[in-house]
Amino acid sequence: QKEVEQDPGPLSVPEGAIVSLNCTYSNSAFQYFMWYRQYSRKGPELLMYTYSSGNKEDGRFTAQVDKSSKYISLFIRDSQPSDSATYLCAMSTQGGSEKLVFGKGTKLTVNP
Amino acid sequence: NAGVTQTPKFRILKIGQSMTLQCTQDMNHNYMYWYRQDPGMGLKLIYYSVGAGITDKGEVPNGYNVSRSTTEDFPLRLELAAPSQTSVYFCASSYLNRLDLHFGPGTRLTVT
Repeated sequence: QKEVEQDPGPLSVPEGAIVSLNCTYSNSAFQYFMWYRQYSRKGPELLMYTYSSGNKEDGRFTAQVDKSSKYISLFIRDSQPSDSATYLCAMSTQGGSEKLVFGKGTKLTVNP
Repeated sequence: NAGVTQTPKFRILKIGQSMTLQCTQDMNHNYMYWYRQDPGMGLKLIYYSVGAGITDKGEVPNGYNVSRSTTEDFPLRLELAAPSQTSVYFCASSYLNRLDLHFGPGTRLTVT
């Protein structure tokens, strides 16, 4: 079983839709959970950062972590064409940044 | 701040050639990283550095070398290029081992 699993999509939604992006993981030692956004032909940029379980909200974005199910989600409300990008989940134990494990990324297109 | 800059943006190499990918950051970050991203795959760590003069291997170091003579620069050297090294290479940096990595725009390398 891969350490981090992420459905690569692609996912295509109409503008204004609620988007749900997900990752599952197998390593119960993961404590830090991140979502990076990567626009086409650009480097990834950090979007959301969560420690341990629970929810975190930032504007139209909500990150959710369920450690009991080893499942994390990113919700995008009122999606916009500018949200079209690849979203990568990333996770780490307490070991530090060199131990970051990335998912393969889900490509999202929001159609106007 | 320019952030993390990478040169060149694109490069085509013949099998057996060598080249150096340049990376510079102006954020005074201690930690720097080299990742490769293959289509449909997550980011894989090649090498990282925790400060000038200190480097260490990541998940996929074979065929690459790095050096870190200054805080700002972290070049990646490919010796004897092989088709398996065709990929997009991202340099990143972070303050200490924080998990909010700052990525450069990437170098697209093709080995034929």
